[in-house]
Amino acid sequence: ETGVTQTPRHLVMGMTNKKSLKCEQHLGHNAMYWYKQSAKKPLELMFVYNFKEQTENNSVPSRFSPECPNSSHLFLHLHTLQPEDSALYLCASSQDGGGTNTEAFFGQGTRLTVV
Amino acid sequence: AQSVTQPDIHITVSEGASLELRCNYSYGATPYLFWYVQSPGQGLQLLLKYFSGDTLVQGIKGFEAEFKRSQSSFNLRKPSVHWSDAAEYFCAVGETAGNKLTFGGGTRVLVKP
Repeated sequence: ETGVTQTPRHLVMGMTNKKSLKCEQHLGHNAMYWYKQSAKKPLELMFVYNFKEQTENNSVPSRFSPECPNSSHLFLHLHTLQPEDSALYLCASSQDGGGTNTEAFFGQGTRLTVV
Repeated sequence: AQSVTQPDIHITVSEGASLELRCNYSYGATPYLFWYVQSPGQGLQLLLKYFSGDTLVQGIKGFEAEFKRSQSSFNLRKPSVHWSDAAEYFCAVGETAGNKLTFGGGTRVLVKP
C-alpha cells in the first residue's frame, strides 16, 4: 500500500468509447501527476497539477483530458483513443514546495488496452 | 532539457552475486536523483534518493547508490542479490524532490538460481 490508489487496475476500451481513470492519494500531498509507460518508450510525464491547478501539459493529445477537483483526486478522461495509446498509466503524488518536499509516490497503475 | 540514460536493457545475474546498474544523467543544475523498482504488473517503488550531502546513499532492500558529479553518474549496487530482486529498475532525475521526473529506459534484472 503506497498511499496512492488507482482504479480500475485494468481497462479495455474501444476506439469510440469514453472512459475515465481515477487516482486518489491519502498522503496529504499538494501535487499530482500522470505518467504513461508504454512498451517501446521510457516512462513519460503527461500532466502535472499543483494545488489543483494544471502546471504542465507535456504535449499530450487532446483525447486525454485530465481533471483535478481537489488535491487528493486526479482523473484522466479518455475519448476516441488509438491502439497506440495502450499502455500502463501511472499516477503519482508528492509534496512540492512550501519548504517541505518529498519524492513522488506512485500508484500501481491502470493497464489500458485500446481495441 | 534533462535526460537519463541506462545503458543496459537487460542484466542476468546469479543469486548471491553482486549487481551494479548504470545510470548517467544530463541536468543543468544540482540534480535530484532517484532509483525506483517495478515488479511485474506493479507501480514504482522508491529504492533510494539523492538530494545533497553524502554521495553514497543507502536505500531499502540492501541497495546503495553513489553520486559522481564528475561522471554525471548515479549507479546502483547490491552486494548479494536475491531471487526476489528480479524486476525492472528505473533511474530518474527531477527538478525538485518529486516534481517532473525524467526516467531512463529501465534495466530488467533476471536472477539465475
